[in-house]
Amino acid sequence: DQQVKQNSPSLSVQEGRISILNCDYTNSMFDYFLWYKKYPAEGPTFLISISSIKDKNEDGRFTVFLNKSAKHLSLHIVPSQPGDSAVYFCAAIENRSGTYKYIFGTGTRLKVLA
Amino acid sequence: DAGITQSPRYKITETGRQVTLMCHQTWSHSYMFWYRQDLGHGLRLIYYSAAADITDKGEVPDGYVVSRSKTENFPLTLESATRSQTSVYFCASLPDRGNTEAFFGQGTRLTVV
Repeated sequence: DQQVKQNSPSLSVQEGRISILNCDYTNSMFDYFLWYKKYPAEGPTFLISISSIKDKNEDGRFTVFLNKSAKHLSLHIVPSQPGDSAVYFCAAIENRSGTYKYIFGTGTRLKVLA
Repeated sequence: DAGITQSPRYKITETGRQVTLMCHQTWSHSYMFWYRQDLGHGLRLIYYSAAADITDKGEVPDGYVVSRSKTENFPLTLESATRSQTSVYFCASLPDRGNTEAFFGQGTRLTVV
């Protein structure tokens, strides 16, 4: 069973509007969460992160929200731009006795329409 | 060159052959990871390593072997390749402090025929 799930495989949004990407997790041991962006033929690159002690983190057009009780996080992109078209992965880090395990979700392909 | 590099970028191999994918990082990061990317499954963790000579299984370790004799290298070996191992493989490294971003290589596209 995947511990980190992104239930929407794809999302299309008009340029200038808000993109909302969702992620659910099952493991309560996760204490740090990240979003990565991936273009074709490239490795994923880091976008934004949030610690489990916070419920929101903002960086420019990108905001990540964390709802620990629901085991849910979301990424908001406002306003969306055509260059944001990519696959987005959420990731979670489990810290078990000082060893870090990095688990990724299934990915959501975002297409921003001009 | 500084960073994390994977080789080869593309590989075609036959069923039953042994193949090794290489990963090298120049930062001396403690942690290294191997993932495979497949449609509908996202990035799945194969193996990871917290330090030289310390490795552990991830979500999908069957059919793979890893070693980490040096901090900077983390090779992934498919002992007897199967068609189900056709995938894009990514290596990543993470600094010792853990709760931070990981850095990825460019990926290796492996096709098993």
